[in-house]
Amino acid sequence: GAVVSQHPSWVICKSGTSVKIECRSLDFQATTMFWYRQFPKQSLMLMATSNEGSKATYEQGVEKDKFLINHASLTLSTLTVTSAHPEDSSFYICSALLSNTGELFFGEGSRLTVL
Amino acid sequence: GNSVTQMEGPVTLSEEAFLTINCTYTATGYPSLFWYVQYPGEGLQLLLKATKADDKGSNKGFEATYRKETTSFHLEKGSVQVSDSAVYFCALASGTYKYIFGTGTRLKVLA
Repeated sequence: GAVVSQHPSWVICKSGTSVKIECRSLDFQATTMFWYRQFPKQSLMLMATSNEGSKATYEQGVEKDKFLINHASLTLSTLTVTSAHPEDSSFYICSALLSNTGELFFGEGSRLTVL
Repeated sequence: GNSVTQMEGPVTLSEEAFLTINCTYTATGYPSLFWYVQYPGEGLQLLLKATKADDKGSNKGFEATYRKETTSFHLEKGSVQVSDSAVYFCALASGTYKYIFGTGTRLKVLA
């Protein structure tokens, strides 16, 4: 199947700093990617839909100025957590949509710990 | 709104035991239903899916039937292996590709 890669797989940062997480579709072009957040023992929560060449669409309750999403190319979407705080610590997962089949392919996830 | 509820884990079974992981959903319209599996250190992978009522999805010995009357999509396997140890997610998608996931159920199979 198609491959989606996230980087970094884990990151630790100090409170107040910004962290960027990359999501790449390695063997297909994805005009649409999705970002999710997962708390321990909870569901994956959709944060936003990332569209290549246009602004991301955020879900209700997700701060767009806090979680900046950029989808500058057909194979790369980035999520930047700005001015991170301990409550932003979580597991962030991206997925990319293979348009011709409608199937989603997921990255491995990135664990963020804010001290 | 749409939601997915799946049984809490962890589920611990001996090799060759029968597996059932329950999943129920609430949704307007006619969603597609999915089971994803996440092995340690890897991303979620599609295990099987069903797009309409009474469809049965199957893959690698796993199967699940889309039951509209009970709003369920339970995952079953007749004989689990140690290599099936993973976290299993039930999910639904309606209209656009906004998926709603269950909380995940961790399965541990002992040799």
